[in-house]
Amino acid sequence: AQSVTQLDSQVPVFEEAPVELRCNYSSSVSVYLFWYVQYPNQGLQLLLKYLSGSTLVKGINGFEAEFNKSQTSFHLRKPSVHISDTAEYFCALVNNNAGNMLTFGGGTRLMVKP
Amino acid sequence: KAGVTQTPRYLIKTRGQQVTLSCSPISGHRSVSWYQQTPGQGLQFLFEYFSETQRNKGNFPGRFSGRQFSNSRSEMNVSTLELGDSALYLCASSFAWGNDIQYFGAGTRLSVL
Repeated sequence: AQSVTQLDSQVPVFEEAPVELRCNYSSSVSVYLFWYVQYPNQGLQLLLKYLSGSTLVKGINGFEAEFNKSQTSFHLRKPSVHISDTAEYFCALVNNNAGNMLTFGGGTRLMVKP
Repeated sequence: KAGVTQTPRYLIKTRGQQVTLSCSPISGHRSVSWYQQTPGQGLQFLFEYFSETQRNKGNFPGRFSGRQFSNSRSEMNVSTLELGDSALYLCASSFAWGNDIQYFGAGTRLSVL
């Protein structure tokens, strides 16, 4: 079995401050990791992905994430947030032997305040 | 290139009815997956199709079914609707089966009264 845990359900932060959204995973086999963002009344948009190679992954909108195999973590970071980053963020994994079936974390609501 | 298109965007049904949701994948994509999103359970995998064959199925009752057509378009059906089926249903498409990036549609919001 595999699982994804997002440690914070809500993260309030002031505009232009740095932010880190935490994600831990559990799996007995190799996985690929993703971060998706969901704006109100919309579907999910891919922010970034880790498939292999460099453990520091850069995505869209200035986000980056670091894959840490020993700590089974894949935290998302941004050095300076904007009001427009207010959204729900989901960490997800795919078992590399199970098609495209995504297992999602519970989500973290990022609230950027002026 | 057009994205993943889901129709309709909103649906209101009553308990006991059945409903069919439609998903048109990105052109050239052959894999389609469905997810249910609710405030209580979060995002849960329903099923995945590739080349008209169901490849994976999530832990949902048999009332939930789906299919994929030769043009890769997919439909999911829910029979004998229950109040708990109220959710946002998301469709995602990928080019290949396995380890491929999924692109999501805007979803169909189903309300069961």
